[in-house]
Amino acid sequence: DSGVTQTPKHLITATGQRVTLRCSPRSGDLSVYWYQQSLDQGLQFLIQYYNGEERAKGNILERFSAQQFPDLHSELNLSSLELGDSALYFCASSVQAGGTDTQYFGPGTRLTVL
Amino acid sequence: GNSVTQMEGPVTLSEEAFLTINCTYTATGYPSLFWYVQYPGEGLQLLLKATKADDKGSNKGFEATYRKETTSFHLEKGSVQVSDSAVYFCALSVSQGGSEKLVFGKGTKLTVNP
Repeated sequence: DSGVTQTPKHLITATGQRVTLRCSPRSGDLSVYWYQQSLDQGLQFLIQYYNGEERAKGNILERFSAQQFPDLHSELNLSSLELGDSALYFCASSVQAGGTDTQYFGPGTRLTVL
Repeated sequence: GNSVTQMEGPVTLSEEAFLTINCTYTATGYPSLFWYVQYPGEGLQLLLKATKADDKGSNKGFEATYRKETTSFHLEKGSVQVSDSAVYFCALSVSQGGSEKLVFGKGTKLTVNP
């Protein structure tokens, strides 16, 4: 158990809908990262937050957004969902924003868009 | 840019066989290197890491040495077990502008047969 929790574990929805994925980092970690794992794209970095502020952006679509709250949990919002958004979404956390910190991963949320 | 190339799988071995999974990288700056493992139905777990040239990471019988001259971080284990069956990901991270993201290889699926 990494100490990172993600809810829900599974999510099934229809095209055009909007969903919210939630992540709670390990106690004491200030940085949260979101990754998408799909069969065709592999594991891709989406976005990073550090202590409530956006720190880095990766291959995140404009239909997707995220935020980190004062209690440091984070939410990833996916809207106007398409079939191709079906994937496993991982959250990871680390103590700081950079350096050689290890990122610890949650168990993931499997999103299926029908 | 930053990228990771790891050997294509799947890899199938018999129990107690020797394992090598090749990983090479391209990076600007001085990356940290990681091996993550994903067991069936689970999230990613850090297996080992190395933060500078000639460092050797080791854990659970697995080893990898950071070779700057060959830009490689090959994963090895002397005697695999059935319980090692999983997908293995090589990754690098480079700090840029106070943030750090992981860049992953495509993963190598390992199956160990009794």
